Amino acid sequence: DTGVSQNPRHKITKRGQNVTFRCDPISEHNRLYWYRQTLGQGPEFLTYFQNEAQLEKSRLLSDRFSAERPKGSFSTLEIQRTEQGDSAMYLCASSFMGGAEKLFFGSGTQLSVL
Amino acid sequence: KQEVTQIPAALSVPEGENLVLNCSFTDSAIYNLQWFRQDPGKGLTSLLLIQSSQREQTSGRLNASLDKSSGRSTLYIAASQPGDSATYLCAVLYNTDKLIFGTGTRLQVFP
Repeated sequence: DTGVSQNPRHKITKRGQNVTFRCDPISEHNRLYWYRQTLGQGPEFLTYFQNEAQLEKSRLLSDRFSAERPKGSFSTLEIQRTEQGDSAMYLCASSFMGGAEKLFFGSGTQLSVL
Repeated sequence: KQEVTQIPAALSVPEGENLVLNCSFTDSAIYNLQWFRQDPGKGLTSLLLIQSSQREQTSGRLNASLDKSSGRSTLYIAASQPGDSATYLCAVLYNTDKLIFGTGTRLQVFP
């Protein structure tokens, strides 16, 4: 297993377009997290799943954002009608609940909205 | 409100110096604390994890300590090298739900 994988690495889009990102967690991990990071700031929590259930959503996650983890494996994060303020690094992490609760992060998807 | 603060925000030192990075958190009811390294434009690499019952963890030239009662953690880097240049992030886990991150310390080690 090579760790948490995120695709694409970079995405450039025009304002108003929809974008979708994918995250493949470490295979035995039952928890999956999405974070957003802007330049010079620490990552901010967006949402997380335990298996296929979405257990918490941050108030940062407006109704233009939706996340799914349909089979408890990979997850997608969709942003509809993108705005320039959505430009950020979107990070995915996974962990195994019941272990040390150590989070492993992917390399992120850098979104630029023009 | 649960907040994590890191001091200093940036640090520039010559190679070979021993460094201390500081992290403070407002709510001491933590589950664990992690230190991460982030290179520019990249994801996060976990360096050390300290459980709430532990006082410190060591890995190579890195040593992290935890004082829950005072709401503080420090990351000690011995004999710094140019390859240590990166942003170091402290993150606190509450209730096994989600990590709360600090804004990081940007470290530059020059030859």
